[in-house]
Amino acid sequence: GAVVSQHPSRVICKSGTSVKIECRSLDFQATTMFWYRQFPKKSLMLMATSNEGSKATYEQGVEKDKFLINHASLTLSTLTVTSAHPEDSSFYICSASGAGEGTDEAFFGQGTRLTVV
Amino acid sequence: GDSVTQMEGPVTLSEEAFLTINCTYTATGYPSLFWYVQYPGEGLQLLLKATKADDKGSNKGFEATYRKETTSFHLEKGSVQVSDSAVYFCALSDSGNTPLVFGKGTRLSVIA
Repeated sequence: GAVVSQHPSRVICKSGTSVKIECRSLDFQATTMFWYRQFPKKSLMLMATSNEGSKATYEQGVEKDKFLINHASLTLSTLTVTSAHPEDSSFYICSASGAGEGTDEAFFGQGTRLTVV
Repeated sequence: GDSVTQMEGPVTLSEEAFLTINCTYTATGYPSLFWYVQYPGEGLQLLLKATKADDKGSNKGFEATYRKETTSFHLEKGSVQVSDSAVYFCALSDSGNTPLVFGKGTRLSVIA
């Protein structure tokens, strides 16, 4: 199947700093990428949907000025957590679709565990 | 809107026991159905999927059948192993360009 690479896998940052997470589709062009957040022992919460070349669509309750999403190319989307606070600590996962095989399937990155201290 | 309901965990089984994790869904159209697995500290991996009614998805001894009449997609495995310990998510999607809708996940622990 298609491969989605997410980087970094773990990051620890100080309160008030910004962190950028990258999501790359390695062997296909991802027309749509999704960013999810997973709280401990909970399901995945969709944060936003990004389509290449256009602004991301954020879910209700997600601060777009805090979670900046850029999908500048068909193989890369980035999520920047700005002015991070301890409550932003979480597991963030991206997924991408648009692969040639199975248009109904999304492929997931490995996830990024963010810890804000 | 669309939703997925799966049985609450955690589920603890002995090795070689039979596994069933229930999943039901509500959707306006005819979605594709998925089971994803998440091993500790990792992202999600697709376990199996079914795209239309009566389809059976299977992989690594796991299987699930798309039942339109009961709007269900229960996950089963005849004989679990310790290495199957993980969190299992049932999900649906209307198309590749719409986000997956996930159930809350079921944590499975298999003990030797």
